[in-house]
Amino acid sequence: AQSVTQLDSQVPVFEEAPVELRCNYSSSVSVYLFWYVQYPNQGLQLLLKYLSGSTLVKGINGFEAEFNKSQTSFHLRKPSVHISDTAEYFCAVSDRSSGTYKYIFGTGTRLKVLA
Amino acid sequence: EAGVAQSPRYKIIEKRQSVAFWCNPISGHATLYWYQQILGQGPKLLIQFQNNGVVDDSQLPKDRFSAERLKGVDSTLKIQPAKLEDSAVYLCASSLTYSGVVYNEQFFGPGTRLTVL
Repeated sequence: AQSVTQLDSQVPVFEEAPVELRCNYSSSVSVYLFWYVQYPNQGLQLLLKYLSGSTLVKGINGFEAEFNKSQTSFHLRKPSVHISDTAEYFCAVSDRSSGTYKYIFGTGTRLKVLA
Repeated sequence: EAGVAQSPRYKIIEKRQSVAFWCNPISGHATLYWYQQILGQGPKLLIQFQNNGVVDDSQLPKDRFSAERLKGVDSTLKIQPAKLEDSAVYLCASSLTYSGVVYNEQFFGPGTRLTVL
């Protein structure tokens, strides 16, 4: 069965500092990988996705993630964060073979950017 | 392009009462999902529709939850009767399906925050 682990429930970081949010997944089949962001009282918005090809994926708002198959990881990074990046970030995995493309979400990482 | 619409945005009910949530997906999106997001957790898929057919409802508590998408467009999720543990945000999402292929990006609505007292 698939699972997603986001080890850090909260990550405080100062403005303009770099940040990495960690995501590890468990799956016996090929997967698609996603990062979503959720601002307070809003739905989820796609940041970036890995479907195939280059393992370094660039997304919106200056975020990027690297797919590492051997370590089953898909960590999210940003070289310089802004106050507006304060939000909850969710990693998700989708089974490529299931046909239903069901998402399994991690428990989320709350990014708090400090002035 | 209009996004996924959900109503109501907030709902407070007593336990054992009934409640219904409505979702209108992005125009043309054949696949619709309902998720439950309990505080401090990631969203959990309750049910997935393709057009008006159910693709996956393996995690839907069928003794109290029901969902329908009669005309393959908007959808309603119902809880009857509600329990305290049903307090959560209920998210609706949709994705494009073309020639039978489900495209992977899911677009989410703002959610309905349910409080059961």
